[in-house]
Amino acid sequence: RKEVEQDPGPFNVPEGATVAFNCTYSNSASQSFFWYRQDCRKEPKLLMSVYSSGNEDGRFTAQLNRASQYISLLIRDSKLSDSATYLCVVNRGGSYIPTFGRGTSLIVHP
Amino acid sequence: GAGVSQSPSNKVTEKGKDVELRCDPISGHTALYWYRQRLGQGLEFLIYFQGNSAPDKSGLPSDRFSAERTGESVSTLTIQRTQQEDSAVYLCASSLVRMAQETQYFGPGTRLLVL
Repeated sequence: RKEVEQDPGPFNVPEGATVAFNCTYSNSASQSFFWYRQDCRKEPKLLMSVYSSGNEDGRFTAQLNRASQYISLLIRDSKLSDSATYLCVVNRGGSYIPTFGRGTSLIVHP
Repeated sequence: GAGVSQSPSNKVTEKGKDVELRCDPISGHTALYWYRQRLGQGLEFLIYFQGNSAPDKSGLPSDRFSAERTGESVSTLTIQRTQQEDSAVYLCASSLVRMAQETQYFGPGTRLLVL
């Protein structure tokens, strides 16, 4: 089993739709979690950290389920500009080496 | 403020030549990472620096790859005797190590093409 797994998609949704991605991780000692966004031919950029209690930033909501070892990202009211690849990142406890998922591709169409 | 910068932005080389890729991290960031991303693929971890030392070189794909960091700042990734399979985007990231929460800031990458 891969350490961090994501559905590669693509998720093809109309503007205004709500879309959710999940990311599962295998190491129960994982301590910190992030979602990054990568636009085509660009570098990854931090979208948001994921906190145990769940957190929201505008149209984006991230949640962590430690019991089932997954994190999720919910995007409400999708915009064309949300089209990108969303990378799940997990840091193991005691390690400074983050593990990146391969990403989930989102395409928002008019 | 200034972000992570990398040079060159693009590099085309012939098989068998050596290349050097440079990364300038954000000032004050003690951790520096190199990744490789092949076309349509995810990020592949190469090496991590804490200060000037590299506690984890486990991701370097072969002994043709080496990296160094000086002055807790600039890092250079060197690929000797390049092969066509080395063609990829090489991304550098830095982070301000703070407890267990580390946000990585990426540079724009160097696109390497080995002919």
